[in-house]
Amino acid sequence: QSVLTQPPSASGTPGQRVTISCSGSSSNIGSNYVYWYQQLPGTAPKLLIYRNNQRPSGVPDRFSGSKSGTSASLAISGLRSEDEADYYCAAWDDSLSGQVFGSGTKVTVL
Amino acid sequence: EVQLLESGGGLVQPGGSLRLSCAASGFTFSSYAMSWVRQAPGKGLEWVSTISGGGSTDYADSVKGRFTISRDNSKNTLFLQMNSLRAEDTAVYYCVNTFGGVIVNPPDNWGQGTLVTVSS
Repeated sequence: QSVLTQPPSASGTPGQRVTISCSGSSSNIGSNYVYWYQQLPGTAPKLLIYRNNQRPSGVPDRFSGSKSGTSASLAISGLRSEDEADYYCAAWDDSLSGQVFGSGTKVTVL
Repeated sequence: EVQLLESGGGLVQPGGSLRLSCAASGFTFSSYAMSWVRQAPGKGLEWVSTISGGGSTDYADSVKGRFTISRDNSKNTLFLQMNSLRAEDTAVYYCVNTFGGVIVNPPDNWGQGTLVTVSS
């Protein structure tokens, strides 16, 4: 049972906008930065968003992150076939004194 | 370019031990907190343990008392000693450096992972 809750799946057609939610609590998302990762099939995860809404160099601006209270979201605009992957949110949890990850969302491009 | 190369995975019987290693390059290893994150087959990501540049450690409750994280800053190498292994420890184990090197930050760079299978 993951501490951060994500929908198990999301989908869209090419060009559409898809949004993934990540719900937590005051001890994690509510008081710490949220990070997002993309895991393509058969590969290691890759950092997609850091500090709620910042993109590392090389990450397309089609990906954007936001946070409000104890929830966060990742938006993918202009959906492309290569965006088919699993997406995870993460944050530090003050109560657990450790990292917590979301349950993961599989994005399918129809 | 940051590189994290794990080794030491394999098949081990329940109750057995295994030691994972991670060779790091491309950043100032001694200044960075490092972590292990695992992923059971077909499942999500699970944080295992973190060690600061100075050697302070944190563990997930699921491995506390059985796993020990350590580092050799002179050799830019991270370790995970896993004892009393259980079937539920079966997973790909990833070596990661924390974002900005700060212990409370989630991962930045990931290794390719090493598979640990606990089975009789």
